[in-house]
Amino acid sequence: GDSVTQMEGPVTLSEEAFLTINCTYTATGYPSLFWYVQYPGEGLQLLLKATKADDKGSNKGFEATYRKETTSFHLEKGSVQVSDSAVYFCALQTNQGGKLIFGQGTELSVKP
Amino acid sequence: GAGVSQSPSNKVTEKGKDVELRCDPISGHTALYWYRQSLGQGLEFLIYFQGNSAPDKSGLPSDRFSAERTGGSVSTLTIQRTQQEDSAVYLCASSFGYKRGGYEQYFGPGTRLTVT
Repeated sequence: GDSVTQMEGPVTLSEEAFLTINCTYTATGYPSLFWYVQYPGEGLQLLLKATKADDKGSNKGFEATYRKETTSFHLEKGSVQVSDSAVYFCALQTNQGGKLIFGQGTELSVKP
Repeated sequence: GAGVSQSPSNKVTEKGKDVELRCDPISGHTALYWYRQSLGQGLEFLIYFQGNSAPDKSGLPSDRFSAERTGGSVSTLTIQRTQQEDSAVYLCASSFGYKRGGYEQYFGPGTRLTVT
């Protein structure tokens, strides 16, 4: 069945470090791909998305590129801030309906 | 405008009791989703309502779980004869509908359910 696998956390980085959180997926057809973020004490919110191969989603300095050949959607940021500390979820949405299939989540902690 | 609201925010119940969790979606959103977030299972899809179509119940873990959506708006998730493994945060989300990748799902703050 359809699934998402993302790197396990927690990930601890110093401020201004480069961030990569790996995400790969398994799906039939051509899913849409998403990154959601959950800040401490807050609800899930959409960070960025891509709906077709080679699309790049970007928001708040974060980027991810839909790579069909490697079935990946890795999240990157060039210089993280303490305020980026959160749990990040990679997700896919198939063509068969609106439900999201999430990865396990990766906790990011950024130290000053 | 108002976001997705859920009630109660916290619920503690004894094993074997029934519970009802409520979700008020964003006004005008025709699609409504329930998910569950637990330590062992991560974020799992439970059920999806889209307009007047039959709901997608494929994620419900057992027949103790059911949900309804009245008048195309408010939804109630009911868990009968609760078990300890039902302890989780239950999240509701809504969107304008389904268009491939096109409509963002807005999540509520969740209901934390603890079964003792």
